[in-house]
Amino acid sequence: DQQVKQNSPSLSVQEGRISILNCDYTNSMFDYFLWYKKYPAEGPTFLISISSIKDKNEDGRFTVFLNKSAKHLSLHIVPSQPGDSAVYFCAATSNNAGNMLTFGGGTRLMVKP
Amino acid sequence: ETGVTQTPRHLVMGMTNKKSLKCEQHLGHNAMYWYKQSAKKPLELMFVYNFKEQTENNSVPSRFSPECPNSSHLFLHLHTLQPEDSALYLCASSQDSGLAKNIQYFGAGTRLSVL
Repeated sequence: DQQVKQNSPSLSVQEGRISILNCDYTNSMFDYFLWYKKYPAEGPTFLISISSIKDKNEDGRFTVFLNKSAKHLSLHIVPSQPGDSAVYFCAATSNNAGNMLTFGGGTRLMVKP
Repeated sequence: ETGVTQTPRHLVMGMTNKKSLKCEQHLGHNAMYWYKQSAKKPLELMFVYNFKEQTENNSVPSRFSPECPNSSHLFLHLHTLQPEDSALYLCASSQDSGLAKNIQYFGAGTRLSVL
């Protein structure tokens, strides 16, 4: 049973608009969450993270929101750019588990010019 | 360039072959990881090495045998694989495996096909 789920396999957005990628988790022990981005023929690269002591973390155009009660997090990209087109993976871990990441299945984002 | 290099990028092998995947990191990290990504499935952690010691084996079949001779190199030795082992194998490294906030840097992966 997947503990981290990204229910939307793909998302298409117009350039300049907001992209919202969602992620749900079931393990209440998870307290640290990350987003990775993957381009074709490349490995995933770290994008942004959030600890469970926060409900929002922002880095430039990227903001991650965490709703602990709903066990839900989302990644907002504003404004979206064609270069943001990639597969986005949500990952989670707990401080007890250190760096043992559990990944979601990914969402393919396509930003149209 | 992430500082983590995997070779080969593509590998086709028969079920009776023995082959090895190689990963090298130039980041001065002490932890290295093997992940498997099968079609339409999430990345699955296979093995973790921290300061050359294996700290995690995620119930991986013995036909996959990892080796970490030093903190910069990680191998995955393959023998008598099955067609369902065909997948993208990703290597990653981080400062160490003890802290969640230590970012993992990934290689580009080896695309393995088992015939």
